[in-house]
Amino acid sequence: GAVVSQHPSWVICKSGTSVKIECRSLDFQATTMFWYRQFPKQSLMLMATSNEGSKATYEQGVEKDKFLINHASLTLSTLTVTSAHPEDSSFYICSALSLAGGPSTGELFFGEGSRLTVL
Amino acid sequence: ILNVEQSPQSLHVQEGDSTNFTCSFPSSNFYALHWYRWETAKSPEALFVMTLNGDEKKKGRISATLNTKEGYSYLYIKGSQPEDSATYLCAYNTGNQFYFGTGTSLTVIP
Repeated sequence: GAVVSQHPSWVICKSGTSVKIECRSLDFQATTMFWYRQFPKQSLMLMATSNEGSKATYEQGVEKDKFLINHASLTLSTLTVTSAHPEDSSFYICSALSLAGGPSTGELFFGEGSRLTVL
Repeated sequence: ILNVEQSPQSLHVQEGDSTNFTCSFPSSNFYALHWYRWETAKSPEALFVMTLNGDEKKKGRISATLNTKEGYSYLYIKGSQPEDSATYLCAYNTGNQFYFGTGTSLTVIP
C-alpha cells in the first residue's frame, strides 16, 4: 500500500520554542493532506486540511497562527507548532489522501504520528 | 458535529476466539465507511473501504459488513491471534470529510 512518512516521531521542547513536523507521501502525490490531534482516549480530531499550493483550511477552534501549515509540494506538508506551551503537548498525526482508486473512494494513508511534549 | 461511535472501547479475548465490534454513524450524507487497524508505534493501516449498503468484505480472518440505512458496520475477526492485537478505527466519509470513532482496543491473550 501507499506509504506516508511522518517525522519526528518524538519531540521534547522547551516552552516558547517552535516545533516543525513533516508529513511526506513517499510513493504517490497528494494534493490534500490532513493534520489531526489526538488526546488520550479520544478520537482523532481534525485540525486542518492542507491543500497543495493554497492556504490550509482550519477547523473551528484551531488557531491558524499557532499551528502553521505549509503544503509546498505534492509530497510534503509541514505543521509548525509556534511558541509551544505545555497544553500543546499531544499526539499529532497526518494523513494523505490518495485518489488512485478513483475520486469516489479516496483512501487515507497515515503517517506514524508525532508525540510532542512541551516542558 | 457528526458523531461516530465504536463499541466496545476495549476488548480482551483468548487466542482462537472469534470476536466482533461495532461502528455506528449517521445514516445521512453517507459516502463511504473505512476501517483501519492501528498497531502501537505504527501508522493506521487501511483494512476496508465500504460504500454500498449490504456490502460485505473479507481479508483473511477479518471481515466487515455495512448497513447504511441504519448506520452501522460490524468488524469480525475469526480465530483471533495475538498479532491481531491493535486498535481498530472506523471512519465515516461524507465525501468532504472523514469523521473518526474513538476506536476499539483489542487484546488477544495467548
